[in-house]
Amino acid sequence: DQQVKQNSPSLSVQEGRISILNCDYTNSMFDYFLWYKKYPAEGPTFLISISSIKDKNEDGRFTVFLNKSAKHLSLHIVPSQPGDSAVYFCAASGMGGATNKLIFGTGTLLAVQP
Amino acid sequence: KAGVTQTPRYLIKTRGQQVTLSCSPISGHRSVSWYQQTPGQGLQFLFEYFSETQRNKGNFPGRFSGRQFSNSRSEMNVSTLELGDSALYLCASSLGAGASGYGYTFGSGTRLTVV
Repeated sequence: DQQVKQNSPSLSVQEGRISILNCDYTNSMFDYFLWYKKYPAEGPTFLISISSIKDKNEDGRFTVFLNKSAKHLSLHIVPSQPGDSAVYFCAASGMGGATNKLIFGTGTLLAVQP
Repeated sequence: KAGVTQTPRYLIKTRGQQVTLSCSPISGHRSVSWYQQTPGQGLQFLFEYFSETQRNKGNFPGRFSGRQFSNSRSEMNVSTLELGDSALYLCASSLGAGASGYGYTFGSGTRLTVV
């Protein structure tokens, strides 16, 4: 049972435009959501996160929006740059108890065309 | 400071063999988590260790096991390898437990191929 879903395996965007990556989840117990970025042959690196008590968090070009009623979050990258081309993973946490366990989506490959 | 070190980077094994992968966390980090990444499945949680104790375990068969040493280094072992075990195995370290994944630093992974 996939509790965190990224339904778009890939996305192509022109440089300078907005990239919007989507993520859906099923477990209402999640209380933190995180986005990771992964280049080939490297481990994922943390990008941005949001607590379930908020609906928006912004960090430079990256903004994450959370819609709890729809169990949906999105990552907006504005403006997109060629260096943003990577696989983006959405992850969820906070299912109760002291744990660092994250539930990841399957990833979206973003290609930013120059 | 040095990052998370995983060894070896690449490994080829034959079906039925066993394998041990190693992870050295960032100095001072006491929590280590392991994930398996396969195409189309994303990152699947394997185990989480804190202060030599397994705190959480994912939905993997008993062939997958792990441990953590007093210096926080961790190993995972897969016995009786199957073709489907071919994957990138990622280790992540963090300072403490219960951080909900905050402060995770991932290693570059060990690419295991089973033939």
